[in-house]
Amino acid sequence: DSGVTQTPKHLITATGQRVTLRCSPRSGDLSVYWYQQSLDQGLQFLIQYYNGEERAKGNILERFSAQQFPDLHSELNLSSLELGDSALYFCASSVDYRSYEQYFGPGTRLTVT
Amino acid sequence: AQKITQTQPGMFVQEKEAVTLDCTYDTSDPSYGLFWYKQPSSGEMIFLIYQGSYDQQNATEGRYSLNFQKARKSANLVISASQLGDSAMYFCAMREGSSSGSARQLTFGSGTQLTVLP
Repeated sequence: DSGVTQTPKHLITATGQRVTLRCSPRSGDLSVYWYQQSLDQGLQFLIQYYNGEERAKGNILERFSAQQFPDLHSELNLSSLELGDSALYFCASSVDYRSYEQYFGPGTRLTVT
Repeated sequence: AQKITQTQPGMFVQEKEAVTLDCTYDTSDPSYGLFWYKQPSSGEMIFLIYQGSYDQQNATEGRYSLNFQKARKSANLVISASQLGDSAMYFCAMREGSSSGSARQLTFGSGTQLTVLP
């Protein structure tokens, strides 16, 4: 158990819908990362937050957004969902943005039908 | 250009034997970290081992060791005494970051599916 929690574990929704994925980092970790794992794209970095502020952006679509709250939990919002958004979404956390070690949550498996 | 290359989509190893999973990387940043993660069929990502670019010695963690050859830009994972529970997908990843403003996200390879045979 990495100490990073993600909810829900599974999510099935229809095209065009909007969903919110939630992540709670390990106790004491200030930095949160979101990754997407899909069959055709592999594991890709989406976005990073550090202590409430956006730190870095990767291959995140405009339909996706995220935020980190004062209690350090983070949410990833996916809107206007398409079939291709079906993937495993991971949250990872680290002590700070300089830390090399990232601990991954169990992931949220999103299926868009 | 691919930053992390794993050329073995699948590997088989006999139980109790050692196996090497290949990983090459590409970076011009002098400061970087190399990681290996294990992803079993249940889906979670399990951190195995880390090697820093300035580390003089190869990293070891139990049955896992990282064969770091900086000049060749390779960071192969060696698993000794394979067990059935080692069957999983293994990902090599890199984090660059000598600049204070640079992002610290991980860049992953495409993975190697390891199957341990009884």
